[in-house]
Amino acid sequence: DVKVTQSSRYLVKRTGEKVFLECVQDMDHENMFWYRQDPGLGLRLIYFSYDVKMKEKGDIPEGYSVSREKKERFSLILESASTNQTSMYLCASSFGAEQETQYFGPGTRLLVL
Amino acid sequence: GENVEQHPSTLSVQEGDSAVIKCTYSDSASNYFPWYKQELGKRPQLIIDIRSNVGEKKDQRIAVTLNKTAKHFSLHITETQPEDSAVYFCAASIGYGQNFVFGPGTRLSVLP
Repeated sequence: DVKVTQSSRYLVKRTGEKVFLECVQDMDHENMFWYRQDPGLGLRLIYFSYDVKMKEKGDIPEGYSVSREKKERFSLILESASTNQTSMYLCASSFGAEQETQYFGPGTRLLVL
Repeated sequence: GENVEQHPSTLSVQEGDSAVIKCTYSDSASNYFPWYKQELGKRPQLIIDIRSNVGEKKDQRIAVTLNKTAKHFSLHITETQPEDSAVYFCAASIGYGQNFVFGPGTRLSVLP
């Protein structure tokens, strides 16, 4: 059974703080993704990674960076948090090749004050 | 880039009736179309998917149809039950699913 975990379920930060969100998967998946979910906007891709140390920008990368030093771990970094980054953040992973099913983590609800 | 539209945004049906959610995509190169279900407070989970070389796929009460010419695909749920109440997301992807574009979601309510 695939397990994707995220470091926090709820997080409250102040404007300007550096924020780290961490995602870990235990199925040796090649691909990992970070999305943010906002009402009426669905799931929007921030960044994805298809291999260790590899990353690609998604649709809304501005204000975010990512790090993938190990295959099982994908971190999302908000360099200087702003109030418009208040959102639900979802991590996902997939095996790759022709196994595209994405398995999602439980989400981190981030509030930036 | 790819753009995925989804309609309706909300849908209410009586228990036992059918529900249909439609999505359109813009990039004719898209070749993989999954549907995810997200129950309240839970993570999205894949419920069915279809590839561009197939026109229809069925799994018990749910089915997906794909019209490549018109660039749209639909989710059909028959004999709806209260546990079908959730937000449903469609998505389109090119290649090996490394860049999903999701629709905005449909909130389905099944009324007893």
